[in-house]
Amino acid sequence: GQNIDQPTEMTATEGAIVQINCTYQTSGFNGLFWYQQHAGEAPTFLSYNVLDGLEEKGRFSSFLSRSKGYSYLLLKELQMKDSASYLCAVREDPGGYNKLIFGAGTRLAVHP
Amino acid sequence: ETGVTQTPRHLVMGMTNKKSLKCEQHLGHNAMYWYKQSAKKPLELMFVYNFKEQTENNSVPSRFSPECPNSSHLFLHLHTLQPEDSALYLCASSQAQGAISSYEQYFGPGTRLTVT
Repeated sequence: GQNIDQPTEMTATEGAIVQINCTYQTSGFNGLFWYQQHAGEAPTFLSYNVLDGLEEKGRFSSFLSRSKGYSYLLLKELQMKDSASYLCAVREDPGGYNKLIFGAGTRLAVHP
Repeated sequence: ETGVTQTPRHLVMGMTNKKSLKCEQHLGHNAMYWYKQSAKKPLELMFVYNFKEQTENNSVPSRFSPECPNSSHLFLHLHTLQPEDSALYLCASSQAQGAISSYEQYFGPGTRLTVT
């Protein structure tokens, strides 16, 4: 079956570093996405990993281990505006089209 | 602004009503998607259209009827809905083929639907 797990909620302090974990068990795998979603807004793309290792993009980094079915999103120098839900999604390719399976999301609260 | 627009942004409808949600993308993509987002639940894929052809129907009840007249427009026709169908309905688009980086899905702001 399809299973994507991530913590429901996390809290952190402004200026700190936070790591949001995601584990997955899916019937297919063609990459893993992280999206950010502020309350009442559309999810927006943060990162994409298809090979093992770390992808860095400014304050945000994402790591993937395919053999362990594991990814994390690392947010550095936290700002208040980083308070949002972070969605982990696995891309399947059932046959020439693009299908994403989402986790339930991790709600991050950043405090002063 | 992601290049994907949805109307209306909010909709309240009775169980006997018929209404339609509209999605339009201005990104030149050839795949479009409907998702349902309920509180504290994962984003749930409903339908996928690739080059105007429906390629995925994720066991969605027939009271939800999608329509894709062209690669830029997607509709979700609603009739005889139930209160448990109240949710945020999100539209997304992406490239269906091409470079790996183009598989990113761009989401619209969603329609907040309340069924009374």
